[in-house]
Amino acid sequence: EPEVTQTPSHQVTQMGQEVILRCVPISNHLYFYWYRQILGQKVEFLVSFYNNEISEKSEIFDDQFSVERPDGSNFTLKIRSTKLEDSAMYFCASSDRTGTDIQYFGAGTRLSVL
Amino acid sequence: AQSVSQHNHHVILSEAASLELGCNYSYGGTVNLFWYVQYPGQHLQLLLKYFSGDPLVKGIKGFEAEFIKSKFSFNLRKPSVQWSDTAEYFCAVTAGGSARQLTFGSGTQLTVLP
Repeated sequence: EPEVTQTPSHQVTQMGQEVILRCVPISNHLYFYWYRQILGQKVEFLVSFYNNEISEKSEIFDDQFSVERPDGSNFTLKIRSTKLEDSAMYFCASSDRTGTDIQYFGAGTRLSVL
Repeated sequence: AQSVSQHNHHVILSEAASLELGCNYSYGGTVNLFWYVQYPGQHLQLLLKYFSGDPLVKGIKGFEAEFIKSKFSFNLRKPSVQWSDTAEYFCAVTAGGSARQLTFGSGTQLTVLP
C-alpha cells in the first residue's frame, strides 16, 4: 500500500536555528498538508498546498513557516527560526483529488527545540 | 469554525468487551466525518469515514460508526475488542465544500487488557 514518508523521524535543534522537515507524499496525490501535535494537545492543522501554492493556512502558520514542493516528489516544511514552543510532532498528509477528502498521513517527525 | 469533542480521554477494557467512543462536533453546515487510529509508533490510519448516505458506516477491523445529525455525533463502536485494538483513536471533521483542513478531537487512548 502506498505510504506518505517523513524524514527525519526525530529532529533536535537549538532555538533560533532553521529546520526543514521533509515529506514524500503518495505519488498521484495532488493535495498536501502539514499538521502538528504539541505533546498532550490536539492535532492542529497548519497548512494545505495545491497546484504549487498554499490553499489554506491556520493562524499558527505565521511568517516563520514556509512550505515548498521543490521537485515532483518532496514536500517540505521550513521553520526559519525555531522557538521552544515549536517542539511538537509534525505530520504530513496527502490526498488525491477534489471530493474524496481522505487524507493519508505519514508517521510524523518529532521536533525537539532546545 | 468547526470543533470536535471526544468525551473519553482514556478507556480501559478487557478483551471481548464492547466499545463505544463518543464524538461530537460543532458546525452548522455539511461536514465530512472521520475516525483515525494511531497504533503505537505508527502513523494515523483511516478507520472509517462518512460523507453522505447511510448514516451507519462500517470501517476496517470490525469498527463502525453512526452519524446522528440531530445530535451532531459520530460515535465509534466495536462489539468485541481485541488486545490489538490498543491504540489512540481520533475523531475528525472537514467542513463541506472546498475546505479541506481536518479538525481533530483530542483523541481517546484505548487500552485493551488481555
